[in-house]
Amino acid sequence: KQEVTQIPAALSVPEGENLVLNCSFTDSAIYNLQWFRQDPGKGLTSLLLIQSSQREQTSGRLNASLDKSSGRSTLYIAASQPGDSATYLCAVPQGAQKLVFGQGTRLTINP
Amino acid sequence: DTEVTQTPKHLVMGMTNKKSLKCEQHMGHRAMYWYKQKAKKPPELMFVYSYEKLSINESVPSRFSPECPNSSLLNLHLHALQPEDSALYLCASSQNLLVDIQYFGAGTRLSVL
Repeated sequence: KQEVTQIPAALSVPEGENLVLNCSFTDSAIYNLQWFRQDPGKGLTSLLLIQSSQREQTSGRLNASLDKSSGRSTLYIAASQPGDSATYLCAVPQGAQKLVFGQGTRLTINP
Repeated sequence: DTEVTQTPKHLVMGMTNKKSLKCEQHMGHRAMYWYKQKAKKPPELMFVYSYEKLSINESVPSRFSPECPNSSLLNLHLHALQPEDSALYLCASSQNLLVDIQYFGAGTRLSVL
């Protein structure tokens, strides 16, 4: 059974800092890994999807890495802004049809 | 257009009511999903439809009844719900099962009195 852990559970940093969010998973036989963002009371927005054959994906100020062998992924946010405040979730497939989510990291960027 | 539309945004219902949640996408996606999310918890998968057929039912109580009338539309019929069913219900779609990005709707906030 796939288990996903995200550290830290919450993070508060001043605006402008670079930061790293961590995600670990127990079963390394994954098709891909996704990072999502969720604003309070809203749906999820997909940020990045890394295929199992890739090591990195970049979108703007976001960079996600994947190390399948160690069961880890990181989401790097450069030059953080107050608008980045949200909960960030990583998710990996379990079997062929089901996504398993981590508990999320609640990020607060202070102006 | 990468939009998944869910209606209604908010729903309050009594335990004897029957109501339905609706989800629509026009991206040509063949996989659609229902998730339930409680406060400060990650989404939990309820149902998966692939090519309009039910592919996964995560042991969801029968008071939740999904329906996929066509490739663009997914419904969740609710009947005799309990207060503990109050949650944010999220719909998502993807081009194919799990290989592709899942796009989520904004959700329906359900309160059961």
